[in-house]
Parts: sequence; structure tokens; C-alpha cells
Amino acid sequence: DTEVTQTPKHLVMGMTNKKSLKCEQHMGHRAMYWYKQKAKKPPELMFVYSYEKLSINESVPSRFSPECPNSSLLNLHLHALQPEDSALYLCASSHILAGVRTYNEQFFGPGTRLTVL
Amino acid sequence: SQQGEEDPQALSIQEGENATMNCSYKTSINNLQWYRQNSGRGLVHLILIRSNEREKHSGRLRVTLDTSKKSSSLLITASRAADTASYFCVKETSGSRLTFGEGTQLTVNP
Repeated sequence: DTEVTQTPKHLVMGMTNKKSLKCEQHMGHRAMYWYKQKAKKPPELMFVYSYEKLSINESVPSRFSPECPNSSLLNLHLHALQPEDSALYLCASSHILAGVRTYNEQFFGPGTRLTVL
Repeated sequence: SQQGEEDPQALSIQEGENATMNCSYKTSINNLQWYRQNSGRGLVHLILIRSNEREKHSGRLRVTLDTSKKSSSLLITASRAADTASYFCVKETSGSRLTFGEGTQLTVNP
């Protein structure tokens, strides 16, 4: 299984809602990532989990709250979002080279298209 | 910017021609990866080149890395209409930061 799955595919939410994005992989990858991509722009790294621990937070506002309940699952909890947070949210995973803090190729999910009204 | 530049921003060629995209960066890297994104297949990894490698091939793809010039290039030979996509170079720098370049939009005309 070389697939990263993301649910839901589309999400529309109001600024007062609380929602969660989910990501799952069964490739044994121990690094998982959240990216945000606006239209016609490259993906921007938000968070990195290594061995189920948050290793990188790229100064993301606290209205985005990541969670890694186990090595296969990654969640992104959303609360009190703004319309400018509307974007494609991509999850990815990769192996971590043993003994070296560097990463291999990333496998991306299809993304969740989020619209904040 | 920290992430460097990609050029060209857009490239339009005929089927069968070769396409070359370039990527520059400013800080030292652990590795450099190239990805393709189109609406049909999402974001897909193409090739990874480590900082101690100079050239790598995968099918119709050839990647070079010149760490002295802090630049990389991706060559796609014998292009096909299905190669139409955005191509990104992704730099992994010290501290395991992963940064996408702005991308090159490639259009291959049948």
C-alpha cells in the first residue's frame, strides 16, 4: 500500500466551527507532514511529526492544532478559522533515514479543499 | 528569498522536445527533490539527489546538482503531452526544513 489518504476531500466551514482533517498511511513511514497550498502557489510546510512527536512548527497560528495519535494517523484540528485560511491542505509522509536526521521522498495525499466562509 | 528561485516560471514546448528547468538555492542542503503536480494525479515525487551526488537518472528524467553554484536542473527528454504539469524543486536544509520553490509550469503541446 503506497497511498496516503485524506478525508474529507472538500470541507466548507464557518468561522466559528470546529472541524478536523484526517490523514492516514500504512507504509511504515515515521515522518508525517501538513502543508497548505494556495491557488497557483507552491505548498508551504506547516508541521512535521517525527516518530509521532512534533518536530517542526513553521509558526502556524494556534487556530490550527496538529495531532499524531499513532504512527499511521495525522490529524489537523481547525477552530475559529479565517476566510484567508481557505486553501488545499496536503498531508504527506516519508521514511526517516536511520541515524541521520534527513528525509526521503514524500508521498502526498490528494488533499482537502477547505473553504472558510 | 531563503528558498531560491526556479526558472523559467513557464515553459511551452512541442511533444518530443526536451524540457529543462532550473532551481537555485541560498543555504546548504542535505538533499534536493523534484516533484510534479497536476490536477489529475496530485503531487508526485520524481527524483531525489543527495548533496554528495552530482547527477541522477530515472527513465526520461535527468537531474544534476552543482553545490558550488547552489543550483540544480531537471531535464525531461522526449516530452509527452502527459508531462504537462507544475514542477517543483524541494530543498531539505539543515534542521530538516523542507522548502518548495515557486515552480515551473510546463505545457507540452501535442
